[in-house]
Amino acid sequence: EAQVTQNPRYLITVTGKKLTVTCSQNMNHEYMSWYRQDPGLGLRQIYYSMNVEVTDKGDVPEGYKVSRKEKRNFPLILESPSPNQTSLYFCASSSPSGGPYSTDTQYFGPGTRLTVL
Amino acid sequence: AQTVTQSQPEMSVQEAETVTLSCTYDTSESDYYLFWYKQPPSRQMILVIRQEAYKQQNATENRFSVNFQKAAKSFSLKISDSQLGDAAMYFCAPLYGNKLVFGAGTILRVKS
Repeated sequence: EAQVTQNPRYLITVTGKKLTVTCSQNMNHEYMSWYRQDPGLGLRQIYYSMNVEVTDKGDVPEGYKVSRKEKRNFPLILESPSPNQTSLYFCASSSPSGGPYSTDTQYFGPGTRLTVL
Repeated sequence: AQTVTQSQPEMSVQEAETVTLSCTYDTSESDYYLFWYKQPPSRQMILVIRQEAYKQQNATENRFSVNFQKAAKSFSLKISDSQLGDAAMYFCAPLYGNKLVFGAGTILRVKS
């Protein structure tokens, strides 16, 4: 089954304790991205990757790191989490559109609910 | 900044009736895609429908259709024959290059 998986699905942690949220896709997509969802704000892009070893900042990158060493994986790293990073996080993947746009339909993982105390 | 406005925080519809969710956006791009995503209580983001901005024909997917007006930068979603399973948060999201820009969402309630 074609899918994007995220782990863990739920995480409660404390301020300053480093954590990693994993994301993996089995669709051979070049593009992967992280979004966070907060009430009243919809989803906002944190980081994205157009291919292996190619990453760039989205709209809200502060406090986050990413890496793309393999095509299928795109982990999100919070080196020193703070309470304002409490949110619902989504990973998404997509193929290039093949046309004038960079990517096409983005497929989302199930989400990771993170609480930082 | 590219912004997306969903002016209806909540909508209600009777089962089997039709409802339209509104979306307007602001962009200087000429080529892009537009999407509606559905988020049920499970929080999963589910693709509802996709529209290519260069196509004048409105997209249709079973009971879901859009009214896309490029000049007005409007992209509304019509749900026909509403079902209880349609109850969810709906997000309008233009795709600019590699970034989806989301509206704040509209909560749709379906009454039986």
